[in-house]
Amino acid sequence: RKEVEQDPGPFNVPEGATVAFNCTYSNSASQSFFWYRQDCRKEPKLLMSVYSSGNEDGRFTAQLNRASQYISLLIRDSKLSDSATYLCVVNLGPGAGSYQLTFGKGTKLSVIP
Amino acid sequence: DADVTQTPRNRITKTGKRIMLECSQTKGHDRMYWYRQDPGLGLRLIYYSFDVKDINKGEISDGYSVSRQAQAKFSLSLESAIPNQTALYFCATSDPTGNYGYTFGSGTRLTVV
Repeated sequence: RKEVEQDPGPFNVPEGATVAFNCTYSNSASQSFFWYRQDCRKEPKLLMSVYSSGNEDGRFTAQLNRASQYISLLIRDSKLSDSATYLCVVNLGPGAGSYQLTFGKGTKLSVIP
Repeated sequence: DADVTQTPRNRITKTGKRIMLECSQTKGHDRMYWYRQDPGLGLRLIYYSFDVKDINKGEISDGYSVSRQAQAKFSLSLESAIPNQTALYFCATSDPTGNYGYTFGSGTRLTVV
């Protein structure tokens, strides 16, 4: 099982739609989680951290399910500017990799007019 | 000024040439990383450094070397470039816990012909 797995997509959705991405991780000791956004040929940028209680930032909601070892990102009222690749990122914690981050391969989102 | 600066932004080089990619950061972090990204393969870790005297190989270090000249500077060298090293290269930095994610540079697009 890969350490961090995501559906590669692409997800093609119309403007205004709600879209959800899921991500699973293999290391139950993982201790912090993130969603990054990457535009084509640009660097990944932190979109939001994912907290155990779930967190929301405007149209974006991130949730963590430790028991099932998955993370989700929900985007409401999609905008054309949301088109990008979304990377699920997991901090392995102090054991394996000494607090290094492991990146999923990303899910590509295209929001269509 | 950007927190993480990579130079050059773009480079075309010939097979067999030695090339150095440079990275500097103003975050004051000890940890720095070099990744390459290829379409469909996601980010792959080449080398990482937890402080000036600590350098470690990542998953794809063959054909690459690094130098940590100072806390703020971490350079990546291709001793004898080959075409399959054509990729987008990113430098990143983080605090020791990784709990705040990584900050990436803008990337170097390298083409080996």
